[in-house]
Amino acid sequence: EIVLTQSPGTLSLSPGERATLSCRASQSVSRNYLAWYQQKPGQAPRLLIFGASSKTTDIPDRFTGSGSGTDFTLTISRLDPEDFAVYYCHQYGTSPYSFGQGTKLEIK
Amino acid sequence: EVQLVQSGAEVKKPGESLKISCKVSGYIFTSYWIGWVRQTPGKGLEWMGLIYPGDSDTRYSPSFQGQVTISADKSISTAYLQWSSLKASDTAIYYCARRVGTLFMDVWGNGTTVTVSS
Repeated sequence: EIVLTQSPGTLSLSPGERATLSCRASQSVSRNYLAWYQQKPGQAPRLLIFGASSKTTDIPDRFTGSGSGTDFTLTISRLDPEDFAVYYCHQYGTSPYSFGQGTKLEIK
Repeated sequence: EVQLVQSGAEVKKPGESLKISCKVSGYIFTSYWIGWVRQTPGKGLEWMGLIYPGDSDTRYSPSFQGQVTISADKSISTAYLQWSSLKASDTAIYYCARRVGTLFMDVWGNGTTVTVSS
């Protein structure tokens, strides 16, 4: 099974700042089939990015996914108060599919 | 609008059986895989398995093979996740989600909280 390790575990930033979240895979993610989800308390995960860098239609431009192989990054260029949540990466290229343990983005 | 609506919270005792549901609307049920994901505070999100309602082709994560059964009823556009004998360790939130082709899960259900306690 591919293990995804996210860092940092918690990221404390202020609105307007830039956030950089990392996801490292224990082996290469097939065809860069890597997604990012946002989850707020009491809600289901929400898809932000698929294929490492493709955004879903309703995701703001400040979200950018990048990376390939084993190293992936989610960047939020200027944090909005609604962006503070937990973010998960997910590889769907090799079964069993797996998730990272999450990065909690909190207001500083 | 694509929607996946899950059944309500359950409180069960160890050894009891349970079947939770995921009713979909807004798309052709038999044309997309449905996945199930478990969420716990200790292990986070875990992919459990998938079903293709069109032909009931089912795949399980090795961690959940033999522990749960995934099924679907095309006539009512509903997928199911069931246990024959619950354990305390099955306490979690369970999500269903639509899978785009053989790719990512795009739309998720609202989650079903299952609590197993004596």
